[in-house]
Order: sequence, then C-alpha cells, then structure tokens
Amino acid sequence: SQKIEQNSEALNIQEGKTATLTCNYTNYSPAYLQWYRQDPGRGPVFLLLIRENEKEKRKERLKVTFDTTLKQSLFHITASQPADSATYLCALGSSASKIIFGSGTRLSIRP
Amino acid sequence: SAVISQKPSRDICQRGTSLTIQCQVDSQVTMMFWYRQQPGQSLTLIATANQGSEATYESGFVIDKFPISRPNLTFSTLTVSNMSPEDSSIYLCSVVVSRSTGNTIYFGEGSWLTVV
Repeated sequence: SQKIEQNSEALNIQEGKTATLTCNYTNYSPAYLQWYRQDPGRGPVFLLLIRENEKEKRKERLKVTFDTTLKQSLFHITASQPADSATYLCALGSSASKIIFGSGTRLSIRP
Repeated sequence: SAVISQKPSRDICQRGTSLTIQCQVDSQVTMMFWYRQQPGQSLTLIATANQGSEATYESGFVIDKFPISRPNLTFSTLTVSNMSPEDSSIYLCSVVVSRSTGNTIYFGEGSWLTVV
C-alpha cells in the first residue's frame, strides 16, 4: 500500500540554523509533491509544490528537493526563526484530485 | 487561491449528540472535500462533496455517521452524528485549485470538536 514517512515526529534546532525535514514514500509514483505548514488547532497552509520533473524549488527561505529515484523530498528552512516553529506536512499527488498526506514533523526553533 | 471559512471553529459536544459544521468558499468550486485529523495523526479524507449529487465516501466512513450537504458551488456542511469521544478531532473543509503545475489543496481553519 502507499506509504509516506516523515523523518521524525519532532525536530528541535537552534535559531539561525538550517532546518531539514525529510519525506520518504513507497509504492507511489506522484506527479507532484507538496509541503504544508500547520499550526496547533489550525488548518494546513500550502507552502510549496514541486513536480516530478523538477529537482529543486525555492521560495524565500524555503527550499524543497525532489528525488524520484530515492523516492524522497527534503524541505529546508534556512536562517530559521522561532516563528518557523510548527508542524510541517508532506503531501503527494497524482494527476487525480486525491492527495495523500504524511503525519508531519513538529519543528521547534529555540532562541 | 481560495478563502475558506468554517464554523464553528471549536466546540465541546456531549456524547450521543450531533453537530453540523459549515464551510463557505469565496469562489465557486466543483468539488469540496472533508478531512479529519485526529490528535497527532495525519489528515484522513472522509468524503468528496459534489454539488448536485451524493457525496462520495472513503473506506471507513459512512453517510449515516457523516451526512454531507452541498446545496451550491460555494457551500457545504458536514454533520458528525451520534458522537462519541473517538470523534474528537479537527474537521477540515478543503477545495482543490488546479493549475498546470499540479493540484493544490486549500484548507479552512478547521473545526476542533471535543466530545465528552
């Protein structure tokens, strides 16, 4: 069955460092991969989308890579700030409208 | 993008009662989706709400427990019926915006239900 794994349930890093989150998947050939941010008690907010034929996508301090051979995506936040603390969700989509989500990684940035 | 409003945002419900969650979108959309996210878990799709037809439910979810209405292209409701503590969860309404680069889901703020 299709499976998405995000590297760890929680990640704690020092402010100013680069946070790197991992998303691995099996038994799936997504057309695109997305990352969302979710704050406690709130709905997820879309951050970035990267297609299967793209290796890297950037948006301000965010960078996403997508390796379809390794079946892995890396999500980087550079110069991290305490305001970046949240849960980050990886999601995979195909040409259909259905998207499947990972369980998320809770990121904490300490001052 | 799409702006989605949900209400209630939060509620505490008695066991055995039912609660209806409303979802309003600022533009017309063909399909609306209802997700559930239990504490510490990933998002799980409950059903797809299509305007003018019955909702399509995912495995493990049934209409009697989660009746859905979709009276027009900007509005939908989800009812959680005969609630038990296991139904305590965030319920999220969402729509898909299709672009040439792929489909992006936009979510409402969610409705946090606690069943006591």
